[in-house]
Amino acid sequence: SQQGEEDPQALSIQEGENATMNCSYKTSINNLQWYRQNSGRGLVHLILIRSNEREKHSGRLRVTLDTSKKSSSLLITASRAADTASYFCATPPKGTSYGKLTFGQGTILTVHP
Amino acid sequence: EAGVTQFPSHSVIEKGQTVTLRCDPISGHDNLYWYRRVMGKEIKFLLHFVKESKQDESGMPNNRFLAERTGGTYSTLKVQPAELEDSGVYFCASRGTTFETQYFGPGTRLLVL
Repeated sequence: SQQGEEDPQALSIQEGENATMNCSYKTSINNLQWYRQNSGRGLVHLILIRSNEREKHSGRLRVTLDTSKKSSSLLITASRAADTASYFCATPPKGTSYGKLTFGQGTILTVHP
Repeated sequence: EAGVTQFPSHSVIEKGQTVTLRCDPISGHDNLYWYRRVMGKEIKFLLHFVKESKQDESGMPNNRFLAERTGGTYSTLKVQPAELEDSGVYFCASRGTTFETQYFGPGTRLLVL
């Protein structure tokens, strides 16, 4: 089984609606990171949440972390067509804050204008 | 500050040929990572450099892949000879020594025919 599995695999919403994506992981973590990939472009770092944090905000993004359930969620409020992208959660190796990241398969978000 | 850059952005080659991908990290970042995403699958780690040394190459699929980082600056990833299953997007990322966030480049889209 892999570290970092996103749910749902695909999400289609209308502009202005909120989008929630979930990520589950297997081993204990020091931090969890969310990335976005627009079609044909690279990965853009969105937000990092540490294991001692429960919630973090950045603009229209809200990330929560529940270490007891080994899960995280990414909420995008008031979505825009430009938010259409694939979203990935990623974690470093157990016991470290650095190092190679393990990614999930991602959630494909489509925001219709 | 310039971000991570990768060259070429796209490469189409025939099976058996050689391709060399280049990554220029953010200036001053000692840590450089290579990842790839094969169609329909998750982003997977290939290897990690600290300056010019290979810190972790556990993700390299086989000996057809050779990565170098001359002088601890830019890095190259050579695939020789390329096989059909090597098709995918190759990402490079860099990270500052005391920072947790990895910054990704736009990727190189490799198609092996």
